[in-house]
Amino acid sequence: QLQLQESGSGLVKPSQTLSLTCAVSGGSISSGGYSWSWIRQPPGKGLEWIGYIYHSGSTYYNPSLKSRVTISVDRSKNQFSLKLSSVTAADTAVYYCARVRYYGDYGTDAFDIWGQGTMVTVSS
Amino acid sequence: DIQLTQSPSFLSASVGDRVTITCRASQGISSYLAWYQQKPGKAPKLLIYAASTLQSGVPSRFSGSGSGTEFTLTISSLQPEDFATYYCQQLNSYPFFGQGTRLEIK
Repeated sequence: QLQLQESGSGLVKPSQTLSLTCAVSGGSISSGGYSWSWIRQPPGKGLEWIGYIYHSGSTYYNPSLKSRVTISVDRSKNQFSLKLSSVTAADTAVYYCARVRYYGDYGTDAFDIWGQGTMVTVSS
Repeated sequence: DIQLTQSPSFLSASVGDRVTITCRASQGISSYLAWYQQKPGKAPKLLIYAASTLQSGVPSRFSGSGSGTEFTLTISSLQPEDFATYYCQQLNSYPFFGQGTRLEIK
């Protein structure tokens, strides 16, 4: 059964770059029909989509974060990563990685498998 | 951007009740809508995709309906494990989420 596990720095200083990795186990990140995504949730608030990396390697980001976000994939390590630059306290959140499954019969996606999440605090 | 508005934001109900949560989109999104359940301290769990298709393993008391701009998630008979926060998500363009509906025990 496919599992996702986030890892990375739990404390980042303001203006620095947040870096997280999502390790995929129980399956290959290169399997067709799937994309990979990052989502975050500030304490006590709702979910915010950050971006996708498609099977092709192309990326698609939330317009509100686009200038600061980079999502990449390392197929040799079966993992994908998030970098968010110039962080502020507003970037404090639980960060989740997720698999995005395309349901061809319906022409739409959904986020069907999620990691457990990792808390990142931005503070000096 | 397509905005999603869930109602109510908070719902108090009893075990065995039938409850309905509504998600309205600011413009038509066909059936490109998913529903998730999130319990405190846990990751969201996919319940329904394509507006009305039940994800494998999800109990049949959950159902979804709608298309265009108005969608509903219905739980036919609440069980103790259903008390959680529910989010809709549109996948027509950027995959934004609704603000959530917190379902609590009355």
